[in-house]
Amino acid sequence: DAGVTQSPTHLIKTRGQQVTLRCSPKSGHDTVSWYQQALGQGPQFIFQYYEEEERQRGNFPDRFSGHQFPNYSSELNVNALLLGDSALYLCASSLSGFSYEQYFGPGTRLTVT
Amino acid sequence: AQSVAQPEDQVNVAEGNPLTVKCTYSVSGNPYLFWYVQYPNRGLQFLLKYITGDNLVKGSYGFEAEFNKSQTSFHLKKPSALVSDSALYFCAVRDINSGYSTLTFGKGTMLLVSP
Repeated sequence: DAGVTQSPTHLIKTRGQQVTLRCSPKSGHDTVSWYQQALGQGPQFIFQYYEEEERQRGNFPDRFSGHQFPNYSSELNVNALLLGDSALYLCASSLSGFSYEQYFGPGTRLTVT
Repeated sequence: AQSVAQPEDQVNVAEGNPLTVKCTYSVSGNPYLFWYVQYPNRGLQFLLKYITGDNLVKGSYGFEAEFNKSQTSFHLKKPSALVSDSALYFCAVRDINSGYSTLTFGKGTMLLVSP
């Protein structure tokens, strides 16, 4: 049973560019949440997707957007990258109704230069 | 709003000794509480959770945590530390009444176990 997978593992972008990160949830899960973990900090909630809709959003600007596909996989898009967007981006999946159990992927390390 | 505090940036313990990593929380209602561990350049691995029931929760790798409602604490413990336990530990909380499964994390505590 595959767990949560994320791609790519590492990414280097230039300030002002746009980036797309991808996540496949654990088999049987239908809810995907995205977190940003800056260096030396705990993960910060970005947003959550369920049934292809953004269900809840954290305190992040509109430059951060997402999408969920019919197969429950998800993308995180960040426009107009800033140096401060450099972080580990974590995807977590869960099953609606048992949503207190979140399973995390290995993350995508984004470096903005 | 919900929040988590991990008052120690780092905890040092000798192998074989008991360890405690502290966590306090704040929620408007009743909490769901979690501990996760993160190894270098890796995602978060689930250790244990408190949802309801016994205040002492047992989890993976010999870890346990004690829920104390009056002190709003959920300290992580292990009777005998291993060098391989050295990692970054995160406490997280979810308000039961929030309706969604978003977690609020503490800033993390680095555990260093010396041989």
